[in-house]
Amino acid sequence: QEQLQESGPGLVKPSETLSLTCAVSGVSISSHYWSWIRQTPGKGLEWIGYIHYSGSTNHNPSLTSRVTMSMDTSKSQFSLKLTSVTTADTAVYYCVRGKASPYFWGQGILVTVSS
Amino acid sequence: DIRMTQSPSSLSASVGERVTITCQASQAIRNSLNWFQQKPGKAPQLLMYGASNLEAGVPSRFSGSASGTDFTFTISSLQPEDFATYYCQQYDNLPPTFGGGTKVEIK
Repeated sequence: QEQLQESGPGLVKPSETLSLTCAVSGVSISSHYWSWIRQTPGKGLEWIGYIHYSGSTNHNPSLTSRVTMSMDTSKSQFSLKLTSVTTADTAVYYCVRGKASPYFWGQGILVTVSS
Repeated sequence: DIRMTQSPSSLSASVGERVTITCQASQAIRNSLNWFQQKPGKAPQLLMYGASNLEAGVPSRFSGSASGTDFTFTISSLQPEDFATYYCQQYDNLPPTFGGGTKVEIK
């Protein structure tokens, strides 16, 4: 049974780096594209970017200067780093199977940016 | 970015009623449109892809259609479990973009 599980700090200070990991089980991480999507009450659902085990990545232009994605196929997990966060980055972050079309979602993790 | 304009932002309906939600793309996206359902505290769940194709296991009371850049999502007979927020999403162009959502509430 496919499962995606986000993990990481729930609280990050302004100007610091948000780091999240998604553990993938029940499906081969090497067989698909994987994305991050976030959701805020104000801006709604926002696609952050995708990664493929081949090294292919693509990020939302609105975030690309602050986003890094990586993958560890041996651990079947992929990660997101978002630098220089502000309160506007407070959101529920989802890891998702899919490139531009999100087929399957993790349960989400709330990350609050606050001092 | 392609702008997805979804309406209405909320609606109230009774069990058994027919419900229609629309989504308009700011430019042509062919039929590269998904519809998602989200319940409180849960992740969105894909209901429909390609504008009108139901995901496996999704009841047939859900349907979708397309006409140019206008897309319609219909629930033919609203059931208690359908009260949720619905989102459209285009995946024709990067970055993928979402509509603002339609909250379907109980009348």
